[in-house]
Amino acid sequence: TQLLEQSPQFLSIQEGENLTVYCNSSSVFSSLQWYRQEPGEGPVLLVTVVTGGEVKKLKRLTFQFGDARKDSSLHITAAQPGDIGLYLCAGDANGNQFYFGTGTSLTVIP
Amino acid sequence: DAGVIQSPRHEVTEMGQEVTLRCKPISGHNSLFWYRQTMMRGLELLIYFNNNVPIDDSGMPEDRFSAKMPNASFSTLKIQPSEPRDSAVYFCASSLDLLNEQFFGPGTRLTVL
Repeated sequence: TQLLEQSPQFLSIQEGENLTVYCNSSSVFSSLQWYRQEPGEGPVLLVTVVTGGEVKKLKRLTFQFGDARKDSSLHITAAQPGDIGLYLCAGDANGNQFYFGTGTSLTVIP
Repeated sequence: DAGVIQSPRHEVTEMGQEVTLRCKPISGHNSLFWYRQTMMRGLELLIYFNNNVPIDDSGMPEDRFSAKMPNASFSTLKIQPSEPRDSAVYFCASSLDLLNEQFFGPGTRLTVL
């Protein structure tokens, strides 16, 4: 059983389109992280959110932590081919480790 | 800093052979994690250490898997004997402490024939 479910599992869009991926759980998290993994490499941290309702922006990426701290979303505006990769969320539910989600694999068609 | 270093980058072995994966964490990081990634199961946490001490090994799939961290700058993950279903990319990650940003190595792609 996965603590964090991400959707969609796969996403293929045209360059310039907007997209949103989701990270959901029935557990409450003290904090939640988003990582991006490019093909052939390890995941790299994009952002950490800690407050319910918090919104963080990183250039064309907008991250939101749910009010109840059980879910999060990542919105990408005007997707670029350089955005491709596996997007992973990771939540701290018990104060001693992060649990990784199932991931969303993004493909951007030029 | 060179980041997390893993070796080998690729390993091809035959079923029944012993496999040892190596990891050098970032200097000054107190926590080290071993993950396995496959298409079917995604990124799975196998075991993690804090200050060289194993904290949780509940993700280790079975007794064929073992991990050690003899000092702050080196860890190994051993599979003995290896089986085809162990084929995956194995990542090592380190962080300042358990709840800080994890820095991942480039991974070891293991193929067991």
